[in-house]
Amino acid sequence: DAKTTQPTSMDCAEGRAANLPCNHSTISGNEYVYWYRQIHSQGPQYIIHGLKNNETNEMASLIITEDRKSSTLILPHATLRDTAVYYCIALNYGGSQGNLIFGKGTKLSVKP
Amino acid sequence: DGGITQSPKYLFRKEGQNVTLSCEQNLNHDAMYWYRQDPGQGLRLIYYSQIVNDFQKGDIAEGYSVSREKKESFPLTVTSAQKNPTAFYLCASSPSRRQGGYTFGSGTRLTVV
Repeated sequence: DAKTTQPTSMDCAEGRAANLPCNHSTISGNEYVYWYRQIHSQGPQYIIHGLKNNETNEMASLIITEDRKSSTLILPHATLRDTAVYYCIALNYGGSQGNLIFGKGTKLSVKP
Repeated sequence: DGGITQSPKYLFRKEGQNVTLSCEQNLNHDAMYWYRQDPGQGLRLIYYSQIVNDFQKGDIAEGYSVSREKKESFPLTVTSAQKNPTAFYLCASSPSRRQGGYTFGSGTRLTVV
């Protein structure tokens, strides 16, 4: 599975868009990009995933570059409750493990 | 409502004792997983199971054991052989191993005293 690289931490003002980057330069053609978040002392929560095309759901948007080497998770109007650690993961459905591997993620702090 | 339940939320154990963490799901998911999380770290995979009566070691299986006798249940035993068991333990499930839309439980915080 491809390794992903994320900034350690980011700040965002409440009500503004939060743009969280993820680098996955070694991603292969059959690896999906998944995003999860973890609020302190809770289990991670699924946000969104994609392969090639941009995706949007009620929580966020996922923008994947054309070469698929990086992606950005966008929270359009961040609230204080969006303060969490955000994990970007590349998952190979065809791999021998096929399990999600969580790195340290990006700690997003939304400030009033 | 469908979901995944871990119990207890907090657990204290004396050194040298085995302890079992419960994980139950009513999502009809085939695959279940156990992760360990240490402060400020990501999640590390302990064991996973793709189907009843089958399970595989993850990256840090030493000192742990699991069983999968029922589809709904995947208990984790932390044995006395686990040298540093104090951690936050998370259970997850997914429709199958090849689908990454995991549902996580709320976790069990184990402290060895």
